[in-house]
Amino acid sequence: AQTVTQSQPEMSVQEAETVTLSCTYDTSESDYYLFWYKQPPSRQMILVIRQEAYKQQNATENRFSVNFQKAAKSFSLKISDSQLGDAAMYFCAYERGTSYGKLTFGQGTILTVHP
Amino acid sequence: GAVVSQHPSRVICKSGTSVKIECRSLDFQATTMFWYRQFPKQSLMLMATSNEGSKATYEQGVEKDKFLINHASLTLSTLTVTSAHPEDSSFYICSARDFRHGRYNSPLHFGNGTRLTVT
Repeated sequence: AQTVTQSQPEMSVQEAETVTLSCTYDTSESDYYLFWYKQPPSRQMILVIRQEAYKQQNATENRFSVNFQKAAKSFSLKISDSQLGDAAMYFCAYERGTSYGKLTFGQGTILTVHP
Repeated sequence: GAVVSQHPSRVICKSGTSVKIECRSLDFQATTMFWYRQFPKQSLMLMATSNEGSKATYEQGVEKDKFLINHASLTLSTLTVTSAHPEDSSFYICSARDFRHGRYNSPLHFGNGTRLTVT
């Protein structure tokens, strides 16, 4: 079975600074996707970034980028120029390539942004 | 754009009663939908996979007789919590993938969740 581990229950960052959230996963599959989701207090799930396992290039979305280390099964999220609105719970998630949207989530990291 | 609508957003019920939660894909067909459960400040745990026209597939440890799932149409899945008890109080979220643009460009959409409180 696939597992996703986020070892940082809480992280904090100063506004405008950079923070990195860690995620490791375990799978024997070769075709899979990895995601970072943001969940603000409203509990809405917001996709931050997505990475296809077959792509070597790290995904980026504006201030958000990932460091995808396939051999190490590591998938960290870097948030640059942190903003107050970035404060939320962040989940790393795994999806097997043959799935139709079935995700395995990590435990989550609560990110606090200090002004 | 495609949206998944979940209703109700909040529900309070008395212990022993049943509650139905709806998950609807508004402008795409979803043959498969997923139901997750989330306790406060915890992760989303997959409860079951809802399949249109067939039985749901439940994850290990989830009581299928307590959490009844019906996926009677291509746009609607329902989760019924039967004989609810206070320990069933939680946040329930559904999701579905929109495959209209192919496998590799298919966004996954989440409902806004339902907060169930059993008194």
